[in-house]
Amino acid sequence: NAGVTQTPKFQVLKTGQSMTLQCAQDMNHEYMSWYRQDPGMGLRLIHYSVGAGITDQGEVPNGYNVSRSTTEDFPLRLLSAAPSQTSVYFCASRHRDGYTFGSGTRLTVV
Amino acid sequence: RKEVEQDPGPFNVPEGATVAFNCTYSNSASQSFFWYRQDCRKEPKLLMSVYSSGNEDGRFTAQLNRASQYISLLIRDSKLSDSATYLCVVKGYGQNFVFGPGTRLSVLP
Repeated sequence: NAGVTQTPKFQVLKTGQSMTLQCAQDMNHEYMSWYRQDPGMGLRLIHYSVGAGITDQGEVPNGYNVSRSTTEDFPLRLLSAAPSQTSVYFCASRHRDGYTFGSGTRLTVV
Repeated sequence: RKEVEQDPGPFNVPEGATVAFNCTYSNSASQSFFWYRQDCRKEPKLLMSVYSSGNEDGRFTAQLNRASQYISLLIRDSKLSDSATYLCVVKGYGQNFVFGPGTRLSVLP
């Protein structure tokens, strides 16, 4: 089925470790983004991309890097995990009427 | 002031009740408006767009008041399956959408 695929679904990291959250979409959408969702705070934009080779920062970019080498893929890298990065992460691609989200990654940093 | 604010929840209503959610936004230049639904531990999914003249989709009615910068969602004849968090989403000029914190609804048998 067409959509946004995120991996992994769950991850536990130790403070200081790095990792990459994978995101792929097969709808040929130009715009992709990463959000984190924390209780009571809603979805907050981390980074976004308007097309291959173009990325920009969102509301809460610190501690995260992204790249967009192809239209399909938009990985999110945590450089040195901190407990404050414990959250649920959603990747999304955008069409005219809104977003299609991936199923999310639940990340715990201990 | 947050860009998008929503009624605090949770709303606990009996099956068959009518319930309304409100949302206010601070950017008067906002252009597009949506309601998303998010089930527990799942991703948000588009429920409906909100048009200037108001619009209806089955038991759901969305209204927009640009002068007051206010959006509403009305759910009639609530079902158990309507239990979820409802997110108000606003798009201004540019690329990004802003999500409200959500209002949690529990429909009780």
